[in-house]
Amino acid sequence: DTGVSQDPRHKITKRGQNVTFRCDPISEHNRLYWYRQTLGQGPEFLTYFQNEAQLEKSRLLSDRFSAERPKGSFSTLEIQRTEQGDSAMYLCASSLAAGPYEQYFGPGTRLTVT
Amino acid sequence: QKEVEQNSGPLSVPEGAIASLNCTYSDRGSQSFFWYRQYSGKSPELIMFIYSNGDKEDGRFTAQLNKASQYVSLLIRDSQPSDSATYLCAVNPLDFGNEKLTFGTGTRLTIIP
Repeated sequence: DTGVSQDPRHKITKRGQNVTFRCDPISEHNRLYWYRQTLGQGPEFLTYFQNEAQLEKSRLLSDRFSAERPKGSFSTLEIQRTEQGDSAMYLCASSLAAGPYEQYFGPGTRLTVT
Repeated sequence: QKEVEQNSGPLSVPEGAIASLNCTYSDRGSQSFFWYRQYSGKSPELIMFIYSNGDKEDGRFTAQLNKASQYVSLLIRDSQPSDSATYLCAVNPLDFGNEKLTFGTGTRLTIIP
């Protein structure tokens, strides 16, 4: 039994570069969520998918951010033209589309923009 | 007004004592409630969820929910040094299309040996 996995675990990039993160959910989970967490704060919701459909996007998700889940399995989150304010931990979670919808988090991708 | 509020702590509890963590939320439509534990530099780990008024026990952990008072708490009995972490409260309104978790800022708990 494998949990949620994310790749890479750490990413250092220069301001203005594009970055892409990958998330593989728990295999039987059809919902996938992206959150962002900065130091001293709780995770903030970015977007979520049920299968391949993107059901909600946060106002936090500017036009530089895009997420996909093309085959309803893994998902990617891309940040274009990174800014220093994008430095954060990017967390992926997955859940079943039933019940109390408990979400299980992956290890996260820590992004540092220099 | 913050949607989910927690005392940021730090909360210091002697080993073996009961740690009590509290959380209030503003959205009366919230349907399910979660407690996550987060060690420094790690991702949140789900430890309890509750969606009915009352108490729910799982090992040393008890979650308590009072929807009328919009209050949820987590009790940790027989606290161990390994319980030292930040505890995040999260709520889910469970409205279709609005099923994200909203988190508090977390309470940092330190268990003193």
